[in-house]
Amino acid sequence: DAKTTQPNSMESNEEEPVHLPCNHSTISGTDYIHWYRQLPSQGPEYVIHGLTSNVNNRMASLAIAEDRKSSTLILHRATLRDAAVYYCILSQAGTALIFGKGTTLSVSS
Amino acid sequence: NAGVTQTPKFRILKIGQSMTLQCTQDMNHNYMYWYRQDPGMGLKLIYYSVGAGITDKGEVPNGYNVSRSTTEDFPLRLELAAPSQTSVYFCASRTGGEYEKLFFGSGTQLSVL
Repeated sequence: DAKTTQPNSMESNEEEPVHLPCNHSTISGTDYIHWYRQLPSQGPEYVIHGLTSNVNNRMASLAIAEDRKSSTLILHRATLRDAAVYYCILSQAGTALIFGKGTTLSVSS
Repeated sequence: NAGVTQTPKFRILKIGQSMTLQCTQDMNHNYMYWYRQDPGMGLKLIYYSVGAGITDKGEVPNGYNVSRSTTEDFPLRLELAAPSQTSVYFCASRTGGEYEKLFFGSGTQLSVL
C-alpha cells in the first residue's frame, strides 16, 4: 500500500485557516486520497476525499498537487471543535482504509 | 437514523475469558469493518466483510474471529482474551462502489486484566 507522511502535530488559533499537509510520493494513478478526523473519545469521521482535482465540501477543502505527490486539507476557519487527529489515507477503490498515526491539531482561543 | 451501533461501550475481561463485541448498522451497507486502536496510535484493521457470508482478514486478525450472517450485523469474537487485546474497538460500514465514506460506531473500550 502506498504510504503517507504527516506531521505529528500542528497548532492553530481559533477563526484562522489551517493547512494540514500530507506527503504521498509513491501514490499510484488509481489511489484515492481520503481525510478523516477523530475527535477525542469518538470514532473517526469522514472529512473529504478526492482523486485528481481539488474538492470542496461544507467541512473543508482538499488541494491536490499537480503531480499528486502531496495534498493539503484546508480548514477555512478553525474552531475549538476542530481540535482532533486528522488522518490522510491512500486507498484503491473498493479496498479497506488503513489508518496511520495522523496529525494532532490543537486549536487555541 | 441510528447509523452504526456498538455494544457494549465498556468491558473488563479476565485473561482467558471470551466475549463477543456486537456491531449493527441500519444503512443497508454491504461493507463492514473492525478496527482496534491502542493508546496514542492509529487504527489497525482486524477483519472486514464485503457482504453477508463473506469475510476476510485485515492487518491484525490473530486472536479474533468474525461472522456475517446478515447485512446488518458483524460481530467480533475474542477467544481466550489476552492483555495485548486491551484496546478500543471500532466498527465501521460503508456502501459499495468507489465512494469510500466510512461510518464509524462510537467504540467499545475493552480491558483485559
